[in-house]
Amino acid sequence: DVKVTQSSRYLVKRTGEKVFLECVQDMDHENMFWYRQDPGLGLRLIYFSYDVKMKEKGDIPEGYSVSREKKERFSLILESASTNQTSMYLCASRRRIRIEAFFGQGTRLTVV
Amino acid sequence: GDSVTQMEGPVTLSEEAFLTINCTYTATGYPSLFWYVQYPGEGLQLLLKATKADDKGSNKGFEATYRKETTSFHLEKGSVQVSDSAVYFCALSSSNAGGTSYGKLTFGQGTILTVHP
Repeated sequence: DVKVTQSSRYLVKRTGEKVFLECVQDMDHENMFWYRQDPGLGLRLIYFSYDVKMKEKGDIPEGYSVSREKKERFSLILESASTNQTSMYLCASRRRIRIEAFFGQGTRLTVV
Repeated sequence: GDSVTQMEGPVTLSEEAFLTINCTYTATGYPSLFWYVQYPGEGLQLLLKATKADDKGSNKGFEATYRKETTSFHLEKGSVQVSDSAVYFCALSSSNAGGTSYGKLTFGQGTILTVHP
């Protein structure tokens, strides 16, 4: 089975802190994604990566950055956390030649 | 740009009732269509998919047919169970003419389904 693992299920951080959300997949997938899930808005794409060290902005990249130094790992970085970044964050990965994406269990981030 | 619209929720049903969750989309190119399900406290799981017009995706008693003429992909189940209680997301992934994409997904807003015994 494909496994996409997010490092934390729940995080509480203070305003202004630098926050790292980590995602690891074990299936050698080329493409990886970070989404944000908010009630009534569904999931919105923050950033994605199609190869090591390659990244593209999604629909809502402001306030976020990403890092992909190894194929299996994709990190989302909140440079200076703000309360409006309180949300559920979901990582996904996909094999380039396949259409299905596989999701991690999510990280619920609260910024106080 | 691409967009997906789902029926407003929440939806509350009794066990063994018929379920329909409406989904319509706008997209360029030749999108693939998906239904994902999120059980409480978990991430998203792919429920079913369809990659071209008139395809029917099915899984666990759920079905959806890709209707290009009405740009719809409605989810149906003939008899729901308590264990089907979850959030359901309709999504699309656009492809270019060569059939490749980065697999970016555009999601609807989600529909919360609660099934009572």
